[in-house]
Amino acid sequence: GAGVSQSPSNKVTEKGKDVELRCDPISGHTALYWYRQSLGQGLEFLIYFQGNSAPDKSGLPSDRFSAERTGGSVSTLTIQRTQQEDSAVYLCASRRGGVGNNSPLHFGNGTRLTVT
Amino acid sequence: GESVGLHLPTLSVQEGDNSIINCAYSNSASDYFIWYKQESGKGPQFIIDIRSNMDKRQGQRVTVLLNKTVKHLSLQIAATQPGDSAVYFCAENTRGNQFYFGTGTSLTVIP
Repeated sequence: GAGVSQSPSNKVTEKGKDVELRCDPISGHTALYWYRQSLGQGLEFLIYFQGNSAPDKSGLPSDRFSAERTGGSVSTLTIQRTQQEDSAVYLCASRRGGVGNNSPLHFGNGTRLTVT
Repeated sequence: GESVGLHLPTLSVQEGDNSIINCAYSNSASDYFIWYKQESGKGPQFIIDIRSNMDKRQGQRVTVLLNKTVKHLSLQIAATQPGDSAVYFCAENTRGNQFYFGTGTSLTVIP
């Protein structure tokens, strides 16, 4: 079946502009995650959605970052007033979910964000 | 979660040799572990997973070993091929929703 889809694949924006990144998870996956990956670095957790529960926003680096998930499916990560340090690859992942459910994350190919 | 510092460990192997990639984790309560492969310009791709009630699990050309005593995880790739060149990450999960990732190991296969 279809995997996790992210759009756009690349985004170049000017400092101070807002950007929206989109994620379409695998159908039926109730859990959705956003991570950030800087060049040569590991994955930095940003936010997690599970079903209708309140999202875990503990990884968001500042109040310029926000995310929503509509209808338990598509998610949008929004970065307001972008800064150069926001430049990174933003990865979305989904999984079958449920606490204690040992299932792996399935990742999209990410959105490469460059802030000039 | 695991932290191996800011530099990316590297491993170079000859085509056809076996590769072993290691990972140390810090949380003794972690009960689920995953290995991912990430090629340039792509997202991490699931390779194999293992639950904490197991010591070893085998897939196609890959084997994951888990040593809970020393909190160590390894990925063995048999007969390494050029297509195996990538960055490999381990991830740990602790009875919940959070996954913690290592910095990764860069594997280069020499033809």
